[in-house]
Amino acid sequence: QKEVEQDPGPLSVPEGAIVSLNCTYSNSAFQYFMWYRQYSRKGPELLMYTYSSGNKEDGRFTAQVDKSSKYISLFIRDSQPSDSATYLCAMSEGTSYDKVIFGPGTSLSVIP
Amino acid sequence: DGGITQSPKYLFRKEGQNVTLSCEQNLNHDAMYWYRQDPGQGLRLIYYSQIVNDFQKGDIAEGYSVSREKKESFPLTVTSAQKNPTAFYLCASSMGDRNMKTQYFGPGTRLLVL
Repeated sequence: QKEVEQDPGPLSVPEGAIVSLNCTYSNSAFQYFMWYRQYSRKGPELLMYTYSSGNKEDGRFTAQVDKSSKYISLFIRDSQPSDSATYLCAMSEGTSYDKVIFGPGTSLSVIP
Repeated sequence: DGGITQSPKYLFRKEGQNVTLSCEQNLNHDAMYWYRQDPGQGLRLIYYSQIVNDFQKGDIAEGYSVSREKKESFPLTVTSAQKNPTAFYLCASSMGDRNMKTQYFGPGTRLLVL
């Protein structure tokens, strides 16, 4: 079993839809959870960063962490064509050397 | 502008050739990282450095080498021993603080074999 799993998609939605992106993980020691957005042929950019369980909201984006289920989600409200990208989840234990484990990414297309 | 720069954007390697990818950051970050990205796979860690003049192997270090002579710079050399170098290479940096695990990425270098 991979340490972090993510449905690769592609996921295609109409503009204005609510998008749900998910990752599951196996290491219960993970405490820090991140979501990155990567446009084609570009480096990933940090979207959301959460510690431990709970929700965090930033504009149209909401990150949810359920440590009991080892499951994290990113919700995008009122999706826009500019949201079309690959979304990578990432997580780490938060120990002295912080190795970050990345999911393979979900490709999202928002159709106008 | 603060950020991470990588050069070149595209790099072509011939058989038996060593090539060096540049990574520079002006974020005053202590830690720097090199990742390799292949289609359908997560980012895989090649090398990382938490401080100047010190670096550690990641998960796929074979066929690669790095140096960290300056805080701002972390070049990666892809040696001829790396038999499958075609990939997208990403450099990242972070503050290295225990409570700040987020990494910031450069724009990447795409390496192709001739």
